[in-house]
Amino acid sequence: AQSVTQPDIHITVSEGASLELRCNYSYGATPYLFWYVQSPGQGLQLLLKYFSGDTLVQGIKGFEAEFKRSQSSFNLRKPSVHWSDAAEYFCAVGTLIQGAQKLVFGQGTRLTINP
Amino acid sequence: GAGVSQSPSNKVTEKGKDVELRCDPISGHTALYWYRQSLGQGLEFLIYFQGNSAPDKSGLPSDRFSAERTGGSVSTLTIQRTQQEDSAVYLCASSLTGTEQYFGPGTRLTVT
Repeated sequence: AQSVTQPDIHITVSEGASLELRCNYSYGATPYLFWYVQSPGQGLQLLLKYFSGDTLVQGIKGFEAEFKRSQSSFNLRKPSVHWSDAAEYFCAVGTLIQGAQKLVFGQGTRLTINP
Repeated sequence: GAGVSQSPSNKVTEKGKDVELRCDPISGHTALYWYRQSLGQGLEFLIYFQGNSAPDKSGLPSDRFSAERTGGSVSTLTIQRTQQEDSAVYLCASSLTGTEQYFGPGTRLTVT
């Protein structure tokens, strides 16, 4: 069965600093990979996705992620964080079944931004 | 256009009562999903509907949970005889065939 591990429960970075959130997955085939962000009291917003092709994917809000099959990783990066990036970030792996994506989520990483 | 909407946004109920949570997906989306987000368990898949196929109920935690999707659009998640461990945020999402999911704001359920 597929699984997702986000090793860091909580990360604090200073505004303007670079960011990398780690995600490792376990899946037998080529995975469908996603990063979602959840602000307090809000639903989940899709940041970016990887289905196939170029292993470096660009998302919204200046985020990017790189799929590394050899390391079973899909880490999220941003060169310079803004205070508004403070939120919880979830990595997910999807299984395509009859046209639907069944998602398994990691436990999430809470990002705090220091001014 | 309109996103996924859920109602109510908050629900407080007494232990043992039944509750119904509603989800309106994005128009034209063929797939609809329910997830539960709780402190101890993170984000858990509950059930999904895809077109006219039989729903995948593999994530429902007990037979007190059920869901239906009428006319390929609106869905209702029903929890019978609620327990305190059912307290959580219930998230609905929808998608086109094989694509990413768009989430609603969730319903926060509190069982007292």
